[in-house]
Amino acid sequence: EAGVAQSPRYKIIEKRQSVAFWCNPISGHATLYWYQQILGQGPKLLIQFQNNGVVDDSQLPKDRFSAERLKGVDSTLKIQPAKLEDSAVYLCASRVGRGGRVDTQYFGPGTRLTVL
Amino acid sequence: GIQVEQSPPDLILQEGANSTLRCNFSDSVNNLQWFHQNPWGQLINLFYIPSGTKQNGRLSATTVATERYSLLYISSSQTTDSGVYFCAVALYNAGNMLTFGGGTRLMVKP
Repeated sequence: EAGVAQSPRYKIIEKRQSVAFWCNPISGHATLYWYQQILGQGPKLLIQFQNNGVVDDSQLPKDRFSAERLKGVDSTLKIQPAKLEDSAVYLCASRVGRGGRVDTQYFGPGTRLTVL
Repeated sequence: GIQVEQSPPDLILQEGANSTLRCNFSDSVNNLQWFHQNPWGQLINLFYIPSGTKQNGRLSATTVATERYSLLYISSSQTTDSGVYFCAVALYNAGNMLTFGGGTRLMVKP
C-alpha cells in the first residue's frame, strides 16, 4: 500500500514570496491533516479535513495560510506572503476516519521550507 | 488545551542498553500514538495505544489511561534506533486531532 505522498521535498524562497505544498493521502483515507514542525519541536496541527470539508482550522494563520482539499482526495497548503518564522517542515497525515472511529494517523515525508 | 510532557528530553545510550521513555498527559484521551522520527525527518508509527500494553519486536509500550501516562520501552538498543521519539494524544470528542509532546532525542552509540 502506498503511503502519504508530499511534494516538493524541499523549498527555499525569500520572504514575502508565496509557496504551495501538495499532499496525496493514502487511498481511501477520508481524513487529512496538515502539521507544521519547527526545528526542535513536535508537530503542531494547522488544519483538519474530513473528505473535502474543513473540520478544524483554528490554528491556521488565516491571514497568510490557506488550504483546500478539492474532490476530497489531494490537498494543497499555500503560504502568501511567507515570513521568516514560517521556516519549518510541513507534514501531511491521513487516516481512515470513517464513521467517527478513532484510528491511526499516517504521516508523509514532509516538505522542508526555508524562508530567507 | 491538553498538555503533553515527555521525559527525558535527551538520552544517550550505548548499543545494547535498555531504556524507558515516558509521556504524561493532562486530560482523558481516546487516542495515543508513539512515533519515531528518523534522521531524515520521516515520522514512523510505532504504536497506537490509548490503553493497555503492546509489543513489537524490541519495542513495547504501556498506557495507563486512568493515571494519564504512557511508557515506551526499547530493549537491546541499536544505532538505528537513534532519532526523536514523539508521543501524541487526542482528547475525547476532539476529532482525533493529535497534540504532540516535545519529544525525546535518543542517540545510540556503537
